[in-house]
Amino acid sequence: DAGVIQSPRHEVTEMGQEVTLRCKPISGHDYLFWYRQTMMRGLELLIYFNNNVPIDDSGMPEDRFSAKMPNASFSTLKIQPSEPRDSAVYFCASSTSDTQYFGPGTRLTVL
Amino acid sequence: AQSVTQLDSQVPVFEEAPVELRCNYSSSVSVYLFWYVQYPNQGLQLLLKYLSGSTLVKGINGFEAEFNKSQTSFHLRKPSVHISDTAEYFCAVSGFQGGSEKLVFGKGTKLTVNP
Repeated sequence: DAGVIQSPRHEVTEMGQEVTLRCKPISGHDYLFWYRQTMMRGLELLIYFNNNVPIDDSGMPEDRFSAKMPNASFSTLKIQPSEPRDSAVYFCASSTSDTQYFGPGTRLTVL
Repeated sequence: AQSVTQLDSQVPVFEEAPVELRCNYSSSVSVYLFWYVQYPNQGLQLLLKYLSGSTLVKGINGFEAEFNKSQTSFHLRKPSVHISDTAEYFCAVSGFQGGSEKLVFGKGTKLTVNP
């Protein structure tokens, strides 16, 4: 299995621009999680889906952030408009039971 | 709700020395416990997990951890570390509610193995 796939691996953008991060979970996994990692706050869960349905989005920082899962093999995390404080590494993870498997992450830099 | 405390933010050790990374958790329900490792500029990789059964859990790369319910701990150990073990280690807990519940992570412990 190819594991969780994320794209792009690196993204540099300017403040105010829209950013879209993409994730392909492991085939057969019915849970998908989006995390953000920063030096100051560590690993934070932003949102997670079960069978493509958002279950808990309480970690989404504000309305500028949105996530979708249109089908079992694809999810997006969108930031619009982006701000410098959104700079972080964003991880996607998927699971089918008790263990989450992480993608390599997207390093986002907002100038 | 669950929480995780990793007592040491940084642990420097010499190569071939033993190491213990400490993790304590709190939860009002039964838990699953995990250790993940993150190498520089990479994602998190599962080292080992405790779901039930034997309290001593063996993982990859020679690591093991012991679940201690009375002390609410899940410390990670390795008898002899290598330079390649230099990484950040995260302890995580999920409440057992029958599904793939969300993980709560500790702040991480940076292990540095010196020659």
